[in-house]
Amino acid sequence: EDQVTQSPEALRLQEGESSSLNCSYTVSGLRGLFWYRQDPGKGPEFLFTLYSAGEEKEKERLKATLTKKESFLHITAPKPEDSATYLCAVQANSGNTPLVFGKGTRLSVIA
Amino acid sequence: KAGVTQTPRYLIKTRGQQVTLSCSPISGHRSVSWYQQTPGQGLQFLFEYFSETQRNKGNFPGRFSGRQFSNSRSEMNVSTLELGDSALYLCASSSGRAQDTIYFGEGSWLTVV
Repeated sequence: EDQVTQSPEALRLQEGESSSLNCSYTVSGLRGLFWYRQDPGKGPEFLFTLYSAGEEKEKERLKATLTKKESFLHITAPKPEDSATYLCAVQANSGNTPLVFGKGTRLSVIA
Repeated sequence: KAGVTQTPRYLIKTRGQQVTLSCSPISGHRSVSWYQQTPGQGLQFLFEYFSETQRNKGNFPGRFSGRQFSNSRSEMNVSTLELGDSALYLCASSSGRAQDTIYFGEGSWLTVV
């Protein structure tokens, strides 16, 4: 069974304090690993898709990396507006399979 | 271009009633998926439709059903509502091709009282 575990559940950072969020996964052949950001009361907003180990993608203060067992979302010099829940999901490489999500990491950035 | 549109955004129903939620995918997208999000369980997959055919189904009871129309718009229906059905229902759309980005709507907040 495909599984995704995100850690920590919650993270509190001071503005400018860089950190990383972890997403560990087990999947029967990875088609893609997705990162989303979700603000309270809203739907998930797409950030990145990673397809193979060693791949990295960046967007503003965020950088996502992928290994064969986990992905990291690095946040450099975060700002209060980066506060949100960050969701990781995997899609298996077998037919038309749905995304399997982790429970998310709730990030709070304090000014 | 317009994103994924879900209606209604908020609704309150009584236990035992039924509800229909609507989703308009991004123009040109033929795949629509539905997810249920609750604080305890996170996002759980309900079903996926592609070109009016259910292509995949999650582990939910038969009270949860859906359909897709020829214009790719989709509806999901929940019959005989239970208190535990209170959740954020999210619709996601994509082209349906492998490795395509999946975009979510803002969701429909359902409260069952």
